[in-house]
Amino acid sequence: KQEVTQIPAALSVPEGENLVLNCSFTDSAIYNLQWFRQDPGKGLTSLLLIQSSQREQTSGRLNASLDKSSGRSTLYIAASQPGDSATYLCAPLMDSNYQLIWGAGTKLIIKP
Amino acid sequence: NAGVTQTPKFQVLKTGQSMTLQCAQDMNHNSMYWYRQDPGMGLRLIYYSASEGTTDKGEVPNGYNVSRLNKREFSLRLESAAPSQTSVYFCASSGGVLAKNIQYFGAGTRLSVL
Repeated sequence: KQEVTQIPAALSVPEGENLVLNCSFTDSAIYNLQWFRQDPGKGLTSLLLIQSSQREQTSGRLNASLDKSSGRSTLYIAASQPGDSATYLCAPLMDSNYQLIWGAGTKLIIKP
Repeated sequence: NAGVTQTPKFQVLKTGQSMTLQCAQDMNHNSMYWYRQDPGMGLRLIYYSASEGTTDKGEVPNGYNVSRLNKREFSLRLESAAPSQTSVYFCASSGGVLAKNIQYFGAGTRLSVL
């Protein structure tokens, strides 16, 4: 059974820092992996989707990497801003049934 | 730009009561999903519908039923609510085949069962 772990569970950094959020998964038979952002009291917003054949995907200040064989993905946020404060979730999509399996998330606070 | 709309936003039920959570999307997506989110845990899939007229169980279907009323609407029903069903419920939709594409989420329904 796929298990997804996100470390750290919470992170507080001053504005302007570059930071890395980690996601690990136990079953490498995935179709793709998605990173989402969740703001308090709101739904989830997709940030990046990496296909299993890709190593990286970039959108603005965000860069996500995927090492499928080792079961790891990272989300890199450059020059963090207070508006980046949110919970970040990763979710690999299983090859077997096309279901997303979710991590519990990393709660990020960017201090002005 | 409505996207995925869920109603109601909040609900309090007594044990044993029933209710239906509504979800509608205006993006002409084929696939729709119901998740629950509990504190400290990842989202868990309750039911999904790959296309109009089909529904399938996810990871935690017990105590729930769903209806894919048409391509736009996918409802989740609790027949006899239990305190263990206290959670935040999210509806999502995606184009293409199942979740191969990006999923778009509603704002959630916060349900408390007393």
